[in-house]
This record gives sequence, C-alpha cells and structure tokens, in this order.
Amino acid sequence: GQSLEQPSEVTAVEGAIVQINCTYQTSGFYGLSWYQQHDGGAPTFLSYNALDGLEETGRFSSFLSRSDSYGYLLLQELQMKDSASYFCALRDDKIIFGKGTRLHILP
Amino acid sequence: EAQVTQNPRYLITVTGKKLTVTCSQNMNHEYMSWYRQDPGLGLRQIYYSMNVEVTDKGDVPEGYKVSRKEKRNFPLILESPSPNQTSLYFCASGEMDEKLFFGSGTQLSVL
Repeated sequence: GQSLEQPSEVTAVEGAIVQINCTYQTSGFYGLSWYQQHDGGAPTFLSYNALDGLEETGRFSSFLSRSDSYGYLLLQELQMKDSASYFCALRDDKIIFGKGTRLHILP
Repeated sequence: EAQVTQNPRYLITVTGKKLTVTCSQNMNHEYMSWYRQDPGLGLRQIYYSMNVEVTDKGDVPEGYKVSRKEKRNFPLILESPSPNQTSLYFCASGEMDEKLFFGSGTQLSVL
C-alpha cells in the first residue's frame, strides 16, 4: 500500500526559514503535492512536484527526490499567517494525504 | 467562480438515520474524492471517482456509499450512521496532474 510520513509538529520564529519533510512509500508514483490548512478551513493547494528538483512559488518552495522517496516544503520569511497545518499528498492512481504537520510560529 | 460546493456545513443526526452530504463542482473535473478528517489522523480517503459511473474505495470506505451519475456531482451517503462516523468531511475535485479544490467541509455529529 501507500504511506506518507511527516513530522506532527514544527516550531519556527517569525522571519525565519522552516523545512517540512515528507517521506513516502508507494508502488506507483506520479507526483507529490503540498497543501495548507488553517484552523476551521479547507485545505488549499500550494505546490506539485512530478519530477526531481525544486519548484518555487513566492516564499514557498517544494523539493522532490524520487530516488529517495522524499520531498520537503520550504517556507521562507515566515509570517504569523503561515501558522497552519501542512499536508503532503501522494498521487498514484488516487490521491492520498499524510497526517499533516502543525507549524507553530513564534514572534 | 471555480468552486466545490458542499452541503450542509453542519449536521447533527441520530444513529441509524440515513443522510446524504452533497458535493458539486463547476470545473468539469474528472476526479472527485471524499475525505474524512479526525484529530491526529490527517485526511483519510473514503471513496474516489475517476469519472462518471467509475468509483472506487479509499482507505476507510466502511459505512459509506457514493455515486457518480453526473460529472459535476458526487454525493456521500451514510445509510445507517453510527457515532464513530462523527467527523469533518471534505469533498474535493481536480485533474490528477494538478491541484485539488476542496469544498468548505461538513461537520457531522452522530448521536
């Protein structure tokens, strides 16, 4: 079957950089996505990596290494509004999600 | 406006009383899916659909039914709800190589 592992919580300081890691196991693989979810809200899409390497979207970047079954989300210039849960999601013939990483940001 | 419309937003019911949560998307997406979210367990997939009349089980399908008679609609049916189905439910749609769009969620309480 498929599985994703990511840390349950991460804490960082406002203005700093934080990396949220995700490792996965699957028999088939098409891509790794990242989603953000604020308390009380729905998940929203951040990025998608189908190929190895870094994808950058503003302050957020996502990296994928298919040979290592590993990816990460990098958030730069952290702002208080980035306090949320972040989910990696795996696409093979369907899309499944990790358990999420709660990001706490200290002022 | 591109959106996934999910109703109701909140629902309180009693054990055994059949209910349906509706989900509709206006983006002509082929892929639709239902997830439930419980504290510490992330988003667990209940059912998904790759296209009209094509549905398949996710990781936690027991106690749920779905149908995909039209491309835009993907209702979730609980024939005989039980308290362990109390959860936050999300419907999502998208193209497999692109992002998923999520509905606003349905907070279900089964007493």
